[in-house]
Amino acid sequence: DAKTTQPTSMDCAEGRAANLPCNHSTISGNEYVYWYRQIHSQGPQYIIHGLKNNETNEMASLIITEDRKSSTLILPHATLRDTAVYYCIVRRGWIQGAQKLVFGQGTRLTINP
Amino acid sequence: EPEVTQTPSHQVTQMGQEVILRCVPISNHLYFYWYRQILGQKVEFLVSFYNNEISEKSEIFDDQFSVERPDGSNFTLKIRSTKLEDSAMYFCATSGLAGRNEQFFGPGTRLTVL
Repeated sequence: DAKTTQPTSMDCAEGRAANLPCNHSTISGNEYVYWYRQIHSQGPQYIIHGLKNNETNEMASLIITEDRKSSTLILPHATLRDTAVYYCIVRRGWIQGAQKLVFGQGTRLTINP
Repeated sequence: EPEVTQTPSHQVTQMGQEVILRCVPISNHLYFYWYRQILGQKVEFLVSFYNNEISEKSEIFDDQFSVERPDGSNFTLKIRSTKLEDSAMYFCATSGLAGRNEQFFGPGTRLTVL
C-alpha cells in the first residue's frame, strides 16, 4: 500500500475552512484515498474517500490532484468539535475479504475559538 | 444511526489474568476487526475476521490472543494471560461490504493491566 505523508499538526480558527493536506506520491491506479479522524481517545471515525474525482459529503470535501499524488481534506466551516487527529490512508478500494486499515501518525488539527 | 458497541468501557486486571473484550457489531455487517492503541501511539491492527475465521492477523496477535463470534452476534477478543504491555485501548470495527474500508469503530475498551 502507498505510504502517506501528513503534517504533524495544524491550527485553524473556528468558522474558517480547515484544509488538511496529504501526500501519496506512490499511489497506484487501483488505490483509493480514505480519511478518518479520531477525536480524543474515541474510536476512529470514517469521513470520506475517493479515487480520482473530487468528493463531497455532509462532513467534508476531498480534493484529489489530477496526478493523484496528493489530496486535501476540507472541513468547510470548522467547529471546536472538529479538533481531532486526522488520518489519510491509501488502500485498494474494492477487493474481496476483510481489509485492515494501516494508520500513520496523522495530523493533529486544533480548532481555536 | 446504527453503531458498534463495546463492553466493558474500562477493564482493570492483574497481570497473568484472562480478559474477554466484547463487541456488538452493526447488524448485517460481515467483516470484523480488532485494533489497539497504546497511550500516545498509533492505532494498530490486530486481527480481521470473516465467515467465522480469521482473515488476517498482525504479529502482535500471538497465541495469547483469540477471537470468536460465540453466538452469531457478539464478537469477542480474548487475551489469555495478560501482560503489562497489553495495557491499551482496544477498538472493535466492522464493515458491511466486501473489501470496503468504510469501517465503523466502537468507542473502545480501555484495558489496564497491573
